[in-house]
Amino acid sequence: SQQGEEDPQALSIQEGENATMNCSYKTSINNLQWYRQNSGRGLVHLILIRSNEREKHSGRLRVTLDTSKKSSSLLITASRAADTASYFCAPNQAGTALIFGKGTTLSVSS
Amino acid sequence: KAGVTQTPRYLIKTRGQQVTLSCSPISGHRSVSWYQQTPGQGLQFLFEYFSETQRNKGNFPGRFSGRQFSNSRSEMNVSTLELGDSALYLCASSLVSGDYEQYFGPGTRLTVT
Repeated sequence: SQQGEEDPQALSIQEGENATMNCSYKTSINNLQWYRQNSGRGLVHLILIRSNEREKHSGRLRVTLDTSKKSSSLLITASRAADTASYFCAPNQAGTALIFGKGTTLSVSS
Repeated sequence: KAGVTQTPRYLIKTRGQQVTLSCSPISGHRSVSWYQQTPGQGLQFLFEYFSETQRNKGNFPGRFSGRQFSNSRSEMNVSTLELGDSALYLCASSLVSGDYEQYFGPGTRLTVT
């Protein structure tokens, strides 16, 4: 198993702005997953991107994966106050557990 | 389809006691993972069960144990509770182990006094 490292640790933006979070990892993966956690609650799965994919979209979310740089980014466009949460990436290898990093705490103010 | 359920949602225990937490996965899901979340250590992996077998284990002392039943429901047990075990315990289920997204329950908030 390996843990992803999210960057930045914290991000504060205004409603309507875009938010970009990055994730780096160390060894080859099968897929990389992004999750969101609202304060004190369980995590919610956002997107799974496989190692042979470069970009994936889901609504206002856009995830990219660069396996040569061992990095991924999550872009939230036109942020809303409801996007305020912690965001975690989890690089996944076959047969291993999903390990989460410290996450990026996003604050969106209106 | 009902989501992942965890019981109880809140629990207060005294140092030295033991506790059992329960997790019911989404119907059809065979993999259950457990995580401990604290402000200081973040989200830490405890263990993963698949078809009643422990597949992966995190770096926790033997006081933390778990099991999975034939209906995929899982329990985790913490014996001889310490103050540092106060945390949000999260359970997640997935269709199979490894390559699929996980669905998390709301968590059990354990306070040890």
